Amino acid sequence: LAKTTQPISMDSYEGQEVNITCSHNNIATNDYITWYQQFPSQGPRFIIQGYKTKVTNEVASLFIPADRKSSTLSLPRVSLSDTAVYYCLVGRSTSGTYKYIFGTGTRLKVLA
Amino acid sequence: GAVVSQHPSRVICKSGTSVKIECRSLDFQATTMFWYRQFPKKSLMLMATSNEGSKATYEQGVEKDKFLINHASLTLSTLTVTSAHPEDSSFYICSAVDRLQETQYFGPGTRLLVL
Repeated sequence: LAKTTQPISMDSYEGQEVNITCSHNNIATNDYITWYQQFPSQGPRFIIQGYKTKVTNEVASLFIPADRKSSTLSLPRVSLSDTAVYYCLVGRSTSGTYKYIFGTGTRLKVLA
Repeated sequence: GAVVSQHPSRVICKSGTSVKIECRSLDFQATTMFWYRQFPKKSLMLMATSNEGSKATYEQGVEKDKFLINHASLTLSTLTVTSAHPEDSSFYICSAVDRLQETQYFGPGTRLLVL
């Protein structure tokens, strides 16, 4: 099962683009990469999911290189409300069985 | 987007009592749900995998007789903390897998305080 490694914390300023990279060296062929945002005392909120190349939605972009051993979550023009913990999750379904492991997460602090 | 609810959001109980937490997928069917536990400023720790119609699979170190899981329908899983003790106080979070999207969606969490 793929173990994920992320920076423990990051600081940014309002209006800047933030890129958070997650390393998952032993990702399996069937694994998807999913990113979540978590505020204190709340459950993680789905941000974006991808398998390869680039995925973009209304809140973020996800960049996945060809070898899939890492992924980068890109948050454009962050605001104070983006201060949260961001988790990268790698996992898959194998014959209907799911397995995921959470990493330590990245604590993002957005400064005014 | 997919919605997962949890009830109650917060519960305070006396030591020795049992507490049931419900997890529901509101707009999709989930054959697989997960239960996590989270301590302050720590990552989520997987406790067990709940599969509809079959026994739950518990992670190493999690007492199955202590944390009873029932997944009786495609939209509901319950976690019962039996004979709760103060060390069981924590933030419990469930999630449900939307098989069509291959995506895990999380509930809002339940704060348990055992006195």
